[in-house]
Amino acid sequence: SQQGEEDPQALSIQEGENATMNCSYKTSINNLQWYRQNSGRGLVHLILIRSNEREKHSGRLRVTLDTSKKSSSLLITASRAADTASYFCATLSGSYDKVIFGPGTSLSVIP
Amino acid sequence: DAGVTQSPTHLIKTRGQQVTLRCSPKSGHDTVSWYQQALGQGPQFIFQYYEEEERQRGNFPDRFSGHQFPNYSSELNVNALLLGDSALYLCASSLRGNSYEQYFGPGTRLTVT
Repeated sequence: SQQGEEDPQALSIQEGENATMNCSYKTSINNLQWYRQNSGRGLVHLILIRSNEREKHSGRLRVTLDTSKKSSSLLITASRAADTASYFCATLSGSYDKVIFGPGTSLSVIP
Repeated sequence: DAGVTQSPTHLIKTRGQQVTLRCSPKSGHDTVSWYQQALGQGPQFIFQYYEEEERQRGNFPDRFSGHQFPNYSSELNVNALLLGDSALYLCASSLRGNSYEQYFGPGTRLTVT
């Protein structure tokens, strides 16, 4: 079963615009991570936000976490064509940090 | 510094056959997790190995089994293959039995005909 649900399923924007993706989950978590995947290849870890954090930045990425609403968002600023990929949120919960991925958001950045 | 490697890259098998996929973790990592990713979906957790033992398991039948060797490399075995087992199989490595900042391999594309 998938705990995280990304929204939207697909997003198409012009280069230079900002892209926002949302993730909702069902149960309590220890941490939440965002990953990127290019064309069905391996996933690349982008950022981890702990359950006691509300916002985190990494370069052009900004992640927020609202545990009361069980939701997270990933903002990519000043998008580039190279940002075209699928983005997944993954929740970590339980004593062994079981990882559950959402279905992903497919982002297309048009040059 | 070698990242996570997986072999083979692609594999075509027939229903009912058995398959073994291999994974070498990133240098210095001791924990290996396996995921199944069907087309257009997010990865589904199969199981995780740490200290040569299966620590946790996702909702997969016993046809899926694994092993971790003393050098931390791992194998995923699938018996009695079904058409629905066709997917990208991803291996991820991390440190000390946790799942923080997992490093993923490029995956093995399995097609069952």
